[in-house]
Amino acid sequence: KNEVEQSPQNLTAQEGEFITINCSYSVGISALHWLQQHPGGGIVSLFMLSSGKKKHGRLIATINIQEKHSSLHITASHPRDSAVYICAVKGGGADGLTFGKGTHLIIQP
Amino acid sequence: KAGVTQTPRYLIKTRGQQVTLSCSPISGHRSVSWYQQTPGQGLQFLFEYFSETQRNKGNFPGRFSGRQFSNSRSEMNVSTLELGDSALYLCASSEGQRKRVLHFGNGTRLTVT
Repeated sequence: KNEVEQSPQNLTAQEGEFITINCSYSVGISALHWLQQHPGGGIVSLFMLSSGKKKHGRLIATINIQEKHSSLHITASHPRDSAVYICAVKGGGADGLTFGKGTHLIIQP
Repeated sequence: KAGVTQTPRYLIKTRGQQVTLSCSPISGHRSVSWYQQTPGQGLQFLFEYFSETQRNKGNFPGRFSGRQFSNSRSEMNVSTLELGDSALYLCASSEGQRKRVLHFGNGTRLTVT
């Protein structure tokens, strides 16, 4: 069973700061997802990665398969980025997704 | 295209009852997966369907079941409800098993009293 650890659990930052959220997992995977959840429950998929790096607007996601580690970066953070960010991994077999506990991010104006 | 639609949005049931939740995926998406979210356990995978066949199942008791219809719509059923089943139930759809970018619905919040 894959163990997914996210850090930090909570993060408060000022508008404009560079944000990094980390995700580590214990067993090899076929894909890693970064998800964003706003109050009220709606979840949006930000990235799906199997290797390397992806960028979308101010968001960047990287993954190091050898080190079993991924990072989500937010540049020029904004209060609307305040949300819970969740890392989820998919194993190579018939397993479903295994989720991290999430990182609660607050960006203050 | 319409997004993933889950009905109902809110549900209150009594212990021992059963409940059926519905999920309509994005048009053309053939894969539907279900998740339970609670404050204590976070998000947990329930099961995944592709072309009417269950492909994966999470570690939940047999009281939790699901199915997928030929139009890709999916239902999940929980029988003999327990207080601990109170949770947000989310479904997500994707185009296929390889194209796995997930599109989530807004969820059904189930309260068991």
